[in-house]
Amino acid sequence: EDQVTQSPEALRLQEGESSSLNCSYTVSGLRGLFWYRQDPGKGPEFLFTLYSAGEEKEKERLKATLTKKESFLHITAPKPEDSATYLCAVQALPGSARQLTFGSGTQLTVLP
Amino acid sequence: DTGVSQNPRHKITKRGQNVTFRCDPISEHNRLYWYRQTLGQGPEFLTYFQNEAQLEKSRLLSDRFSAERPKGSFSTLEIQRTEQGDSAMYLCASSSTRGTDTQYFGPGTRLTVL
Repeated sequence: EDQVTQSPEALRLQEGESSSLNCSYTVSGLRGLFWYRQDPGKGPEFLFTLYSAGEEKEKERLKATLTKKESFLHITAPKPEDSATYLCAVQALPGSARQLTFGSGTQLTVLP
Repeated sequence: DTGVSQNPRHKITKRGQNVTFRCDPISEHNRLYWYRQTLGQGPEFLTYFQNEAQLEKSRLLSDRFSAERPKGSFSTLEIQRTEQGDSAMYLCASSSTRGTDTQYFGPGTRLTVL
């Protein structure tokens, strides 16, 4: 069974204080690993897809990396508007299954 | 591209009543997904359509739940004889087999069962 574990559950940072969120996963085969951002009361907003170990993607203050067992979301010099829950999800091989298996998320609060 | 839309945004019902939610995917997206999310948890997969065919259904999905996508465009999710444990956010997502197949989510329907 596919499993995704995110840590920490919650993280409070001062504005400008860089940090990393962790996503550990177990799948029979990885089709892709996804990062989403979710604001309270809203649907998840797509950030990144990573497909193979060693891959990195960046967007503004966010950088996602992937190894064979985990992914990291690095946040550089965060701002209060980066406060949200960050969700990690995997899409597994093989076959026709397309559903995402999500972790429980990391709730990030950035204080001014 | 107006994004995925869902209606209603909020639904309050009494236990035992039936409810139906609607999802309109991004135009030209041929895949559509339903997920359920409870407080403090990530979304949990319910079911998935490619065009009008329902291809996957979670083993955890009660037979009180049914979903349709009759013309391969919008989809409906019906819950019969609602229970308090059905209270959750119901999320719809869509993707296209042309390109990255990334799932884009709608704003969700918040269901409260009294």
